[in-house]
Amino acid sequence: NAGVTQTPKFRILKIGQSMTLQCAQDMNHNYMYWYRQDPGMGLKLIYYSVGAGITDKGEVPNGYNVSRSTTEDFPLRLELAAPSQTSVYFCASSLTTVHEQFFGPGTRLTVL
Amino acid sequence: QQPVQSPQAVILREGEDAVINCSSSKALYSVHWYRQKHGEAPVFLMILLKGGEQKGHEKISASFNEKKQQSSLYLTASQLSYSGTYFCGTEEAAGNKLTFGGGTRVLVKP
Repeated sequence: NAGVTQTPKFRILKIGQSMTLQCAQDMNHNYMYWYRQDPGMGLKLIYYSVGAGITDKGEVPNGYNVSRSTTEDFPLRLELAAPSQTSVYFCASSLTTVHEQFFGPGTRLTVL
Repeated sequence: QQPVQSPQAVILREGEDAVINCSSSKALYSVHWYRQKHGEAPVFLMILLKGGEQKGHEKISASFNEKKQQSSLYLTASQLSYSGTYFCGTEEAAGNKLTFGGGTRVLVKP
């Protein structure tokens, strides 16, 4: 099992560009999450999904969009990148909310 | 609402003990604990459900006092490998999303 995979590992964007961060899991988990972590800070939930076709906003959804067409994949879309979106982005999945969350290795994004 | 962790940082000598607290202003259904090493993803330690249970993971244990809306993580006889940032995540109701605290940095020195 690969667990949770994320691509790319690193990315530099110019202000106003767009990109999609990919996330996939092979554990057949219903719950998937996107977090951002600014330097020296905790994890902030951007969006989450409780199953294919169902997504909901977290604490900091502005500037992002998600879709969940399959159980395995949960891509995060950044539209019109801004310097404030410079962060490390983690994708995670879990069986339920009272099971452990498995985190991907993260994507380090810099917006210049 | 984000739970509050204390202390923000702690420095230990190998073999010493430490306690990390996680407090919420709201009633909690569960508390989750994760450890993150520098440059890596968070790794799960344990989950505590309401009911005041205590759990352990190696020499790391935790308690959950639902009446006080707080959880404590106990690092006993700390090892160098315990260094990292510890995060608590709180769930206010079953099926709700987790909200993570700001983290507690732990440095264990030889």
